[in-house]
Formats: sequence, structure tokens, C-alpha cells
Amino acid sequence: QITLKESGPTLVKPTQTLTLTCTFSGFSLSTSGVGVGWIRQPPGKALEWLALIYWDDDKRYSPSLKSRLTITKDTSKNQVVLTMTNMDPVDTATYYCAHTELLCFDYWGQGTLVTVSS
Amino acid sequence: QSALTQPASVSGSPGQSITISCTGTSSDVGGYNYVSWYQQHPGKAPKLMIYEVSNRPSGVPDRFSGSKSGNTASLTISGLQAEDEADYYCSSYTSSSTLEFGGGTKLTVL
Repeated sequence: QITLKESGPTLVKPTQTLTLTCTFSGFSLSTSGVGVGWIRQPPGKALEWLALIYWDDDKRYSPSLKSRLTITKDTSKNQVVLTMTNMDPVDTATYYCAHTELLCFDYWGQGTLVTVSS
Repeated sequence: QSALTQPASVSGSPGQSITISCTGTSSDVGGYNYVSWYQQHPGKAPKLMIYEVSNRPSGVPDRFSGSKSGNTASLTISGLQAEDEADYYCSSYTSSSTLEFGGGTKLTVL
């Protein structure tokens, strides 16, 4: 049974750096073809893909946010970490992590709401 | 503005069929068979309904089907049911080795 859960601050101030952790079980990020991605959704708006890390440490980022994002993995801890710098109120959103094997997200975490406000 | 274009809303009566389109370019939808569709109910995480254009994950009813023609992918729901009322998002792999989502479509079951 594959499960994922996001954790991190619920409130960050503008200009701060956001660090989110995705802790998962039921699969290994050292298995060929497996990846974990991050997706966000501002309140009332559409999904937005942010980043993806593969079993071989290949990393992909949204072109529009690439300069602000870093994704890393700790295979031994079954965790993936996403950092986003220079947070702004427009970054207020629910942030999801999800499992992928076929360039689609088949298992999702419950999401975590991050509010950016001073 | 999303890279993939979906209608903002569609509606249908119970038992009817509806189709949601997802239009991209030859650099995404038209270039790869990695189009997927997600269903999202209010306050819930998205659920994968279709992957690789037309494949259904285990447990997804066969009322849901996917197809693609050129740069446009489509999700068809036949035999519409009340519980199908939700937001639907398409997603595609791109020539930049990234992923992208559509703007979402709100399905109303009348």
C-alpha cells in the first residue's frame, strides 16, 4: 500500500524560504522508473506542476519556477524535500506530493495548505 | 494561464455522455502518449482516472475513457452519475521533459 504525506510550515512570511517534506511508504525511490513529484493548487484555482525527482536522481522543474525550486531525496528515510525561495503571497496554495512511474501521478498525499503572509 | 486548454465547465444529465477536451501543441499532447486525467472532488486530493491517453487504473469504472487526436486529448464519461460531479484536469509530458496541467474543467451533473 502506497502512502505519501506532506509536512512543513502552514504559515511563512514573504521573502522567506519554504521547506516541505514528503514522507512516503509502500515503495522505494531506488527502484528503476519511480519518481516523486510536487504539485500545488492555489485556493479555487488549477493544479500546477512544480518539480519531479526520479530514482536515479534526475530532477525536473517547472520552467516558470525553476530558479526558486530545489528538490532532493533521502532514499534511506523515504523522504523527498522541496524548497522554494523568496515566497510571495501568490504562492499561497495547497502543496501535494505524489508518486509517479508512468509520467502520471497515481498516488497522492493529502496535501498541506501553506499561507504566505506577513 | 495554463499550457493546456480545457473548457471551464461542462454539464450533463444523469445517464448522458459528456466529453472534456484538452488542447495542447505538438510539443506536448500531440507529441507524446503521456496524457493523463485526474478527478478532484472539493477538498480532496486529485485521483488518477486515465493514464497514457486511454488506460484506466484498476478500480476506475469503464464509463471513463480517454482518446487523442492530433494536439487534442479527450476524456469521455458515459452513463453520467451524480458522483461524477467534480473538477477534471488533464496533464501531459512535454518536449522539455517536464509535466504540465490544464486549467481544469468543472463538471456539473444536472
